[in-house]
Amino acid sequence: GQQVMQIPQYQHVQEGEDFTTYCNSSTTLSNIQWYKQRPGGHPVFLIQLVKSGEVKKQKRLTFQFGEAKKNSSLHITATQTTDVGTYFCAGKRSNTGKLIFGQGTTLQVKP
Amino acid sequence: SQTIHQWPATLVQPVGSPLSLECTVEGTSNPNLYWYRQAAGRGLQLLFYSVGIGQISSEVPQNLSASRPQDRQFILSSKKLLLSDSGFYLCAWSGTGGAIHEQYFGPGTRLTVT
Repeated sequence: GQQVMQIPQYQHVQEGEDFTTYCNSSTTLSNIQWYKQRPGGHPVFLIQLVKSGEVKKQKRLTFQFGEAKKNSSLHITATQTTDVGTYFCAGKRSNTGKLIFGQGTTLQVKP
Repeated sequence: SQTIHQWPATLVQPVGSPLSLECTVEGTSNPNLYWYRQAAGRGLQLLFYSVGIGQISSEVPQNLSASRPQDRQFILSSKKLLLSDSGFYLCAWSGTGGAIHEQYFGPGTRLTVT
């Protein structure tokens, strides 16, 4: 079946360092979404990418969708302690509302 | 505005006991509804989704069932819990119109089967 793989599983950084998580699908995606889950909380939608090669920015966060629409990345510049949490990518199966979630990357930021 | 409710927030149940988790959505009509399970430190596994009253699709064979008796009510059930049913259960909804069908998650229920 369709799978979405996400790496790394964990990342520890010093505050101020950059962070990147990568997402790869075994099949072409119609779109990809990113969510953030704070410790003890529930996932919260961050952004959706639809177009091949699309790049979107939200303040210090940069999201990219690959040209083949099979991979994506989230890059955080100059991490802050408020960035702590688990970041999930989720690929949408074409013609359905179902999302296939990656395993998530848990980010720890040392102050 | 739309809100999603889940209860209870935490639950400890013995093996073999029944389970009923309820999820309700306010402020929207005819949403798509989803049940996910998240094991500790793991990703989200889609268990069931529903596009309308009485319409349930199961993603993985398991010890659980789901029902949607009303448009904005989604129930997750089990007749006899297993130890492996422990986890964080999340209900979510998404709209059916527009270009972005992001999912909105409830606060979740932490289930421990002992």
